[in-house]
Amino acid sequence: NAGVTQTPKFRVLKTGQSMTLLCAQDMNHEYMYWYRQDPGMGLRLIHYSVGEGTTAKGEVPDGYNVSRLKKQNFLLGLESAAPSQTSVYFCASSYSEELPPYEQYFGPGTRLTVT
Amino acid sequence: GESVGLHLPTLSVQEGDNSIINCAYSNSASDYFIWYKQESGKGPQFIIDIRSNMDKRQGQRVTVLLNKTVKHLSLQIAATQPGDSAVYFCAETPSNAGNNRKLIWGLGTSLAVNP
Repeated sequence: NAGVTQTPKFRVLKTGQSMTLLCAQDMNHEYMYWYRQDPGMGLRLIHYSVGEGTTAKGEVPDGYNVSRLKKQNFLLGLESAAPSQTSVYFCASSYSEELPPYEQYFGPGTRLTVT
Repeated sequence: GESVGLHLPTLSVQEGDNSIINCAYSNSASDYFIWYKQESGKGPQFIIDIRSNMDKRQGQRVTVLLNKTVKHLSLQIAATQPGDSAVYFCAETPSNAGNNRKLIWGLGTSLAVNP
């Protein structure tokens, strides 16, 4: 099992450009998440999905969109990148939010710089 | 060595010593807690979890202690090794969040192991 994979690993964008980050998991998990991680601020939830075809806003959704067309994939889009979106982005998945364990499995991250 | 949760985010210990990383969680309704380890350049990785009906749980070289009275969680690492150098996050999930529980993340404590 590859677990959770993310592409690309690194990306540099100019302000106003768009891009899509791809997350894939092979554990047949229902739940998937996108987080951003900034120094001193821990992990902040951007958007999440409780199943194929569903998405919901997290703590910091502005400037991002997501789609979950297939159960194994969760895409994070930036329509018009801003320097404030410079961050490390992590995708995670979990088996359940209704019964323990509530463990989330993380991908290796995407380091995005917006100039 | 001992840290005091979110107020002292860096802990430095000598190789071979025991480490204690503390976390003051926020929600008295939380009934499930997880410790994650994040090595530089990688995604967070599950270490150990504990449910609120337990005070202590042991894993391989790690022990988690839960004190619900003061809403305090600690991670003890025995015989700390250089490979333990990482940022450690505690996460909680409250029982009053309905059927879909999200993890609430702490800001993390950086552990540096000196050879």
